[in-house]
Amino acid sequence: ETGVTQSPTHLIKTRGQQVTLRCSSQSGHNTVSWYQQALGQGPQFIFQYYREEENGRGNFPPRFSGLQFPNYSSELNVNALELDDSALYLCASSPEGTGVYNEQFFGPGTRLTVL
Amino acid sequence: SQQGEEDPQALSIQEGENATMNCSYKTSINNLQWYRQNSGRGLVHLILIRSNEREKHSGRLRVTLDTSKKSSSLLITASRAADTASYFCATGGQGAQKLVFGQGTRLTINP
Repeated sequence: ETGVTQSPTHLIKTRGQQVTLRCSSQSGHNTVSWYQQALGQGPQFIFQYYREEENGRGNFPPRFSGLQFPNYSSELNVNALELDDSALYLCASSPEGTGVYNEQFFGPGTRLTVL
Repeated sequence: SQQGEEDPQALSIQEGENATMNCSYKTSINNLQWYRQNSGRGLVHLILIRSNEREKHSGRLRVTLDTSKKSSSLLITASRAADTASYFCATGGQGAQKLVFGQGTRLTINP
């Protein structure tokens, strides 16, 4: 059983560019959530995908968008990057529609730096 | 905005001592979870306590939950250097999809 994986590990972009981050959920998990963690802060919920549909969204602008694929892997896309988007982006998966009722399995994260 | 607040923000103790971290939250919850994070990497789940539970143990970890005070505590007994990390509490709300995290306690264990 493989855990949650994310790619890339690190990424440097310039303001105004677009970025795509990828996540492979743990085997058997069909629910994927994305979190943004600024330096020195706790993670903040961006959105969740369940069976390829968005299933909840946090307080993030529309330039943050996502996808979930039939194999339950997921992408986070951020358009028109701003300096404040610099953060660690974490993906978490959980089993069949359990949402937050059970533990979340987190990936190692993608460190995004916007210059 | 974040619901939980951890206290203290930073804690430094000697190896072998016990470490206690506290978490307060604002709204009703289904469960409260504690996670550990090493050096800004991924979060590792430590323990989950449901709203109808008052205390839970897992190895050297003891978690308490007081829903009347909207607070929880995490006790790590007989601390080790490897326990050095940031610890976050996270709450799962009724019918919510998201976990709401606090700002974390940075724990340093000195050898």
